[in-house]
Amino acid sequence: EPEVTQTPSHQVTQMGQEVILRCVPISNHLYFYWYRQILGQKVEFLVSFYNNEISEKSEIFDDQFSVERPDGSNFTLKIRSTKLEDSAMYFCASRQTYYEQYFGPGTRLTVT
Amino acid sequence: KQEVTQIPAALSVPEGENLVLNCSFTDSAIYNLQWFRQDPGKGLTSLLLIQSSQREQTSGRLNASLDKSSGRSTLYIAASQPGDSATYLCAAPTPNAGGTSYGKLTFGQGTILTVHP
Repeated sequence: EPEVTQTPSHQVTQMGQEVILRCVPISNHLYFYWYRQILGQKVEFLVSFYNNEISEKSEIFDDQFSVERPDGSNFTLKIRSTKLEDSAMYFCASRQTYYEQYFGPGTRLTVT
Repeated sequence: KQEVTQIPAALSVPEGENLVLNCSFTDSAIYNLQWFRQDPGKGLTSLLLIQSSQREQTSGRLNASLDKSSGRSTLYIAASQPGDSATYLCAAPTPNAGGTSYGKLTFGQGTILTVHP
């Protein structure tokens, strides 16, 4: 069964460093998302991407964040200058039209 | 603005019990609602998607219902097993300020379920 994959599973970085989180959505899906979950808190939306552009973004998704779909398969989230408060689990998701969203296993980002 | 609330926050039951998890949402203009399972430190596994035109959706021992008019959904788990222990999340799609929906999900806090043998 097709699934969303994410790499790395765990990333440790120092404050101020840039990180790129990678995702491979399900191949025939059209909508792509990033969410994050700070430990003990709700899963929260960051950004949605459709037709090669951002369709919606949350207040969290400021100028330090960017997304890219560099080829037909990868979908990346870049954080330019990480802060301690960026430590969280980051989930990629994808879907086909009005059907369910499928989530990847997540990347645990630890900023020290 | 969509807000999703789940009760109870935690539930501990003996194996074999039937149980109900509740989810409420404030914006009833949804086209579907999705239930997920999350194991500790892991990703989200989709359990059920219930469309707004449906009242119920079933998968094995799971049954989800949706009542848009009251802003409620329930997840019923029959004959619970220790392997069902996990956090259960409901999520509703939320349109942007202009009323257009790109599928952004708003999640509840989750119900932590423990099924003991």
